[in-house]
Amino acid sequence: DSGVTQTPKHLITATGQRVTLRCSPRSGDLSVYWYQQSLDQGLQFLIQYYNGEERAKGNILERFSAQQFPDLHSELNLSSLELGDSALYFCASSPGQVSYEQYFGPGTRLTVT
Amino acid sequence: AQSVTQPDIHITVSEGASLELRCNYSYGATPYLFWYVQSPGQGLQLLLKYFSGDTLVQGIKGFEAEFKRSQSSFNLRKPSVHWSDAAEYFCAVAAVDSNYQLIWGAGTKLIIKP
Repeated sequence: DSGVTQTPKHLITATGQRVTLRCSPRSGDLSVYWYQQSLDQGLQFLIQYYNGEERAKGNILERFSAQQFPDLHSELNLSSLELGDSALYFCASSPGQVSYEQYFGPGTRLTVT
Repeated sequence: AQSVTQPDIHITVSEGASLELRCNYSYGATPYLFWYVQSPGQGLQLLLKYFSGDTLVQGIKGFEAEFKRSQSSFNLRKPSVHWSDAAEYFCAVAAVDSNYQLIWGAGTKLIIKP
C-alpha cells in the first residue's frame, strides 16, 4: 500500500459526459502527479501540482483540467469525453517539488462508451 | 530529442531462471535513472534508482540494475525469478533537459513460465 488513494476505482460513462477523478496523496507529500495509461499510448504524464500550484504540464488535453486543494487532495476533471479517453488514470505523490521517487495510487479505470 | 527505450515489449522467462530487462536512454548528460514495477491491477512501485556513484544499484525484491555510461543503458537484472515477479517493468529517467520530470519507457511485460 503506497498510501495514495484514488476514487473511484472504476467509472463507466458515455461520450460527451464529464467526470471527476479524486486523489489523496501520502501524508506529508506536497506534489501530486496525474498520469494516463492506455494500451496504445503507454504511460503519459498529464500534470503536476505542488502545494496547490500547477508546476508542470505534460500531454494534457484542453478538455482535461486538474486542481489541488488546500488539504492537498487533487481532482482531475475530464470533459466532453471521447472513446479514446478510456484508460487507467493514475495519481502519484511525492514530498517535494522536484521529486523522482513517486508513490502511485491504484488507479481509476475509466471506460467511455 | 530525449527518449527512453525499452526494446522488449514482452519477455518470457522460466521460473528460477535469470532475468535481464533492457533500458536505453538518449540524453546529453547522465540523467537520474529508475525502474518501476506494475503488478497486475496495481499502481507503479519504485524498484530502484541511480543518481550517482556506484554504477551497480540494489533494489527491492532482489532486483539490481547496472548503469553503463558508454552504452547509455540501465539494465535491470535478477538472478532467479519467481512467479510473483510477473508484472510490467518501466524504466524512467529524469534530467535537466526534461526539467527533472520523469520520462517513461514503454514498459516490458514479464511473463513467467512454470
